[in-house]
Amino acid sequence: AQSVTQLDSHVSVSEGTPVLLRCNYSSSYSPSLFWYVQHPNKGLQLLLKYTSAATLVKGINGFEAEFKKSETSFHLTKPSAHMSDAAEYFCVVSDDSWGKLQFGAGTQVVVTP
Amino acid sequence: NAGVTQTPKFQVLKTGQSMTLQCAQDMNHNSMYWYRQDPGMGLRLIYYSASEGTTDKGEVPNGYNVSRLNKREFSLRLESAAPSQTSVYFCASSGTGGPRAQHFGDGTRLSIL
Repeated sequence: AQSVTQLDSHVSVSEGTPVLLRCNYSSSYSPSLFWYVQHPNKGLQLLLKYTSAATLVKGINGFEAEFKKSETSFHLTKPSAHMSDAAEYFCVVSDDSWGKLQFGAGTQVVVTP
Repeated sequence: NAGVTQTPKFQVLKTGQSMTLQCAQDMNHNSMYWYRQDPGMGLRLIYYSASEGTTDKGEVPNGYNVSRLNKREFSLRLESAAPSQTSVYFCASSGTGGPRAQHFGDGTRLSIL
């Protein structure tokens, strides 16, 4: 069985400061992990994915995430927040052989000037 | 290149009415999915279709039916709408061969009075 816990439901950051979104997962097998972003009234857009290659994964818009098996974590970071980063972010796990996803509850990011 | 297209974008129904949500993808993906999104709960899988001609229940299938019309199209039907089905519905598609990122439509916002 697989599950995902996003440790913060809301994160507020100032523009230009680092962003950290925390995610822990549970999986019976070697998981694939994803981060998606959802802007208001839009669908979900893939930020990055981990599929057992390099543990540090770089994504779009300056985001990156590090897979830590010993801590069962996949935290998302960005060195410097931009106003356009205000959105909801979802951590997602899959250990299904054909691709079924399990979503976290989401983290709402607010960026203040 | 439209990706995943959902229609309609918004709909208001009365309790007991029926409705079909339409989804089409132009990426030649084999797998398609229907999710519902409710505040604080992430996305929950309603039904999925691993390939043309097959459909399976997800986490929350009660009150819904699906049809995989062809490789491109996957519809979701509410036979007798209930207020508990008020939600935002997302369709997604992906390739096959292990966990893969899913591509999402922009959603259908459904209110049931």
